[in-house]
Amino acid sequence: DTGVSQDPRHKITKRGQNVTFRCDPISEHNRLYWYRQTLGQGPEFLTYFQNEAQLEKSRLLSDRFSAERPKGSFSTLEIQRTEQGDSAMYLCASSYPRVRGRGEKLFFGSGTQLSVL
Amino acid sequence: GESVGLHLPTLSVQEGDNSIINCAYSNSASDYFIWYKQESGKGPQFIIDIRSNMDKRQGQRVTVLLNKTVKHLSLQIAATQPGDSAVYFCAENRNAGNMLTFGGGTRLMVKP
Repeated sequence: DTGVSQDPRHKITKRGQNVTFRCDPISEHNRLYWYRQTLGQGPEFLTYFQNEAQLEKSRLLSDRFSAERPKGSFSTLEIQRTEQGDSAMYLCASSYPRVRGRGEKLFFGSGTQLSVL
Repeated sequence: GESVGLHLPTLSVQEGDNSIINCAYSNSASDYFIWYKQESGKGPQFIIDIRSNMDKRQGQRVTVLLNKTVKHLSLQIAATQPGDSAVYFCAENRNAGNMLTFGGGTRLMVKP
């Protein structure tokens, strides 16, 4: 399977615990995105990387959220001191960079479903 | 578990009929639009895209129409099949930004 891969698929944790999710993008894509999706809503942008550089992180929900992409390949999203409101689907997507006259088509993984008890 | 909601606007169509799903966008600076399909437990799947210099684009059984005057986007699915049952999202991208902004989604239910 050469699509975007996310691990784990499901995570159940207790409030206050830290969690980390991993995303492996499509290998030739240099842009990687994290989105969050809650029940009944469309995906909500969190942050993105071009190679190892995090170019936008102002949309991360709080300072408890952080993301890394140390070698420009896989990425991790960490949530510290989880709260019940963090329960959601966390989606990763990757793409080629946008070029003039063309849009940026994102390819999504199947997501990590987080449940905070 | 469910990754898409139970309280979305719902369109119910008979198998074989055509479906039209509508989307209103708010940012007149958006210049690229995508329709995604999301099945239960899966991430959004690309269906078709359109740039703002076009008003219509056709794919296999799908057509996207863009009306920039009223900031409206629609997805037409011909000969709807049971496998088309899913939640459909439109997304927009502004030229100056790099994030896709998603709409609220419509659930399509296909009756056999």
